[in-house]
Amino acid sequence: SQTIHQWPATLVQPVGSPLSLECTVEGTSNPNLYWYRQAAGRGLQLLFYSVGIGQISSEVPQNLSASRPQDRQFILSSKKLLLSDSGFYLCAWSARTGSRNTIYFGEGSWLTVV
Amino acid sequence: EDQVTQSPEALRLQEGESSSLNCSYTVSGLRGLFWYRQDPGKGPEFLFTLYSAGEEKEKERLKATLTKKESFLHITAPKPEDSATYLCAVHSGSRLTFGEGTQLTVNP
Repeated sequence: SQTIHQWPATLVQPVGSPLSLECTVEGTSNPNLYWYRQAAGRGLQLLFYSVGIGQISSEVPQNLSASRPQDRQFILSSKKLLLSDSGFYLCAWSARTGSRNTIYFGEGSWLTVV
Repeated sequence: EDQVTQSPEALRLQEGESSSLNCSYTVSGLRGLFWYRQDPGKGPEFLFTLYSAGEEKEKERLKATLTKKESFLHITAPKPEDSATYLCAVHSGSRLTFGEGTQLTVNP
């Protein structure tokens, strides 16, 4: 079965420090991968999605970037964090083939920028 | 631009009191409408996908229905463990657009 791992689960970072959140998917090949952010009590905002290695689409101009160095690895980064980057970050995946593909989420990473 | 609106924002029920959550949407080229359950501090847990108007799916006390403009999540005889935020999302192209969610509390 397919599983998605996301880490770290929680982190507290000072303003201006770098960020790296990692996500890996097991049990599938060539997945579509996504990064979402969820502010407290709000819906999910799509940040980035990727349909293949090195292929990244950005949905919202911001202080963050994403990379996909391997087929099942997706990384969210920042060179200098802002207070407004605080939130709950979720990685997700879906099968690439076919038109009826469920999107599954990881457990999320809580980021607090202080 | 795809839009998803969920109502109510919050709902309190007594155990055993059935009710429905609403998800209204506008989208070009619907590939699917998803319902997720999210517990505090956790990632969303997949519940259902509906693909065409008239489709219905059930899981335990939950039943999801779909029309051309909205979806309902019916909760029959809820229990306290059904307390969570329920998220609706529409899938078009390669993106998933979420509503703001309905926070459900079921009191014993």
